[in-house]
Amino acid sequence: AQKVTQAQTEISVVEKEDVTLDCVYETRDTTYYLFWYKQPPSGELVFLIRRNSFDEQNEISGRYSWNFQKSTSSFNFTITASQVVDSAVYFCALSETSGTYKYIFGTGTRLKVLA
Amino acid sequence: DSGVTQTPKHLITATGQRVTLRCSPRSGDLSVYWYQQSLDQGLQFLIQYYNGEERAKGNILERFSAQQFPDLHSELNLSSLELGDSALYFCASSPSGRADTQYFGPGTRLTVL
Repeated sequence: AQKVTQAQTEISVVEKEDVTLDCVYETRDTTYYLFWYKQPPSGELVFLIRRNSFDEQNEISGRYSWNFQKSTSSFNFTITASQVVDSAVYFCALSETSGTYKYIFGTGTRLKVLA
Repeated sequence: DSGVTQTPKHLITATGQRVTLRCSPRSGDLSVYWYQQSLDQGLQFLIQYYNGEERAKGNILERFSAQQFPDLHSELNLSSLELGDSALYFCASSPSGRADTQYFGPGTRLTVL
């Protein structure tokens, strides 16, 4: 069965530190999609990235970068030089391509960036 | 702003009551999804509609129902409410409903007293 594990419940860092949020997934599908969403204190879910299972290239977007490793079923998210505005709950999600296209979410990692 | 709108933003009601949550998808999106976020269950998929038809069902209780109208807006009806139904309810939309990126609305926070 499909599953997403975010083992880090809460992480606290000091501003300007780098931080990596871990995501491990399980699926039997060969084609699937992985996502990261940010949930700031205001509560909305903000889309950050979508990656398909055939694209293992790492991606960088400003201070954000993502490392997808199929061999370890991981899709980790790194924030470089963290800022207070990065404080939020971050969710990793998996969408398969057989059956439904619902998202399976991890339990989220709460990131606190201290000034 | 994702382009998905949800009303109301907050809803406070009593046990046993019935409420309706409303969602308008992004312009051009045909598929709507409903999710429930609670402290004990996390983010759970409830149901998906595509162009007016139910496409997939998740952990949706029998007391809950949904529909998508011809103008593509969707409503989630929750009846015989219990304290445990208190949660944040999200609507998301996507163009085709097939492995697209889902864009989420701001959510409706339901409190059952």
